[in-house]
Amino acid sequence: TQLLEQSPQFLSIQEGENLTVYCNSSSVFSSLQWYRQEPGEGPVLLVTVVTGGEVKKLKRLTFQFGDARKDSSLHITAAQTGDTGLYLCAGFMEYGNKLVFGAGTILRVKS
Amino acid sequence: EAGVVQSPRYKIIEKKQPVAFWCNPISGHNTLYWYRQNLGQGPELLIRYENEEAVDDSQLPKDRFSAERLKGVDSTLKIQPAELGDSAVYLCASSYVRDEQYFGPGTRLTVT
Repeated sequence: TQLLEQSPQFLSIQEGENLTVYCNSSSVFSSLQWYRQEPGEGPVLLVTVVTGGEVKKLKRLTFQFGDARKDSSLHITAAQTGDTGLYLCAGFMEYGNKLVFGAGTILRVKS
Repeated sequence: EAGVVQSPRYKIIEKKQPVAFWCNPISGHNTLYWYRQNLGQGPELLIRYENEEAVDDSQLPKDRFSAERLKGVDSTLKIQPAELGDSAVYLCASSYVRDEQYFGPGTRLTVT
């Protein structure tokens, strides 16, 4: 059983469309990270959110941390083919001092 | 600034053979992590080092896996003997701030 559940598992959309991916847990995290991973490469850190209710924007990407610090979402506006990849959320747990990853959402943006 | 370096990038071995992976973290990052990522899954922590000390190895299968980080810089992860189920991508990461980890490209291990 995954501590962090990501949905959807797979998303295929046309260039220009908007999308949202979700990361949910019953556990509270002191911070949450989003990573993007391309085939054959390691995950690349996109953002860290720390405060409940926090919203961060990175160009066309908007990240939100839930008020209770148990869930998060990533919204992409006007998706581009370069957004294609595996999006991973990871929660930092004070107990054990470790980062726990979800299984990821595979995003495919078609031209 | 150079990122996390890992080698080799790919390794194919027969079961029961030994294999070793090497990692050089980002300069100044005292914390080093080894993760295993199975197909369709997120990375799972194997071991975490603070300088030379392994502070969390609770998920490391100690009967066949070993790791070392001599001098608190680069690190080696070894599997001996390898099993079919060990086929995965082995990722090394390092951090200065505890919850912001920077990953290397990984080593894709195939055990036949």
